[in-house]
Amino acid sequence: GQSLEQPSEVTAVEGAIVQINCTYQTSGFYGLSWYQQHDGGAPTFLSYNGLDGLEETGRFSSFLSRSDSYGYLLLQELQMKDSASYFCAVPGGYQKVTFGTGTKLQVIP
Amino acid sequence: DAGITQSPRHKVTETGTPVTLRCHQTENHRYMYWYRQDPGHGLRLIHYSYGVKDTDKGEVSDGYSVSRSKTEDFLLTLESATSSQTSVYFCAISGGHLGGSNSPLHFGNGTRLTVT
Repeated sequence: GQSLEQPSEVTAVEGAIVQINCTYQTSGFYGLSWYQQHDGGAPTFLSYNGLDGLEETGRFSSFLSRSDSYGYLLLQELQMKDSASYFCAVPGGYQKVTFGTGTKLQVIP
Repeated sequence: DAGITQSPRHKVTETGTPVTLRCHQTENHRYMYWYRQDPGHGLRLIHYSYGVKDTDKGEVSDGYSVSRSKTEDFLLTLESATSSQTSVYFCAISGGHLGGSNSPLHFGNGTRLTVT
């Protein structure tokens, strides 16, 4: 089976940097993805890491360490609109995708 | 935006009645998924499909069945709805593993189901 752990809530100040961690246990590893979901909306894809290291997409970066079964999402220059829930996810065999329970980020002025 | 439509968007039904939710895609993607989302539980996989007539169970499949008779449609059926199945249901599609990386999931707008 597959399981992923994330902190349930994080609060950060506008303009700051925040890191959301994800640790996983999988029977096979095909990469780690991150999704964002605003209240009342659908999840949307943010980033994917198939190999160790950092992937940068604008203000968002995602890191993966396969040896530690660990990854994180880094959000820089936080904006109020970044207040949302963030989910890590791993695909398994036959693309069976499992999500973490999500981290609710609150950005405060 | 990926062409994915869920219907209905909202439904209220009574305990014990059958309910079918529909997911329709225009992307010709191979993989389709049904998730439910409840507070504190994130997105939990109910069933998914890796091709026409090829489906498999997810982590919370009890009380649910699915069918995929053609690429574009994936149906989720609650045989006899219970109050514990009150939830928001999301359909998602994916092209799968392409060129060494994973195609992301694209989600529909969700169906809010209330079982009274």
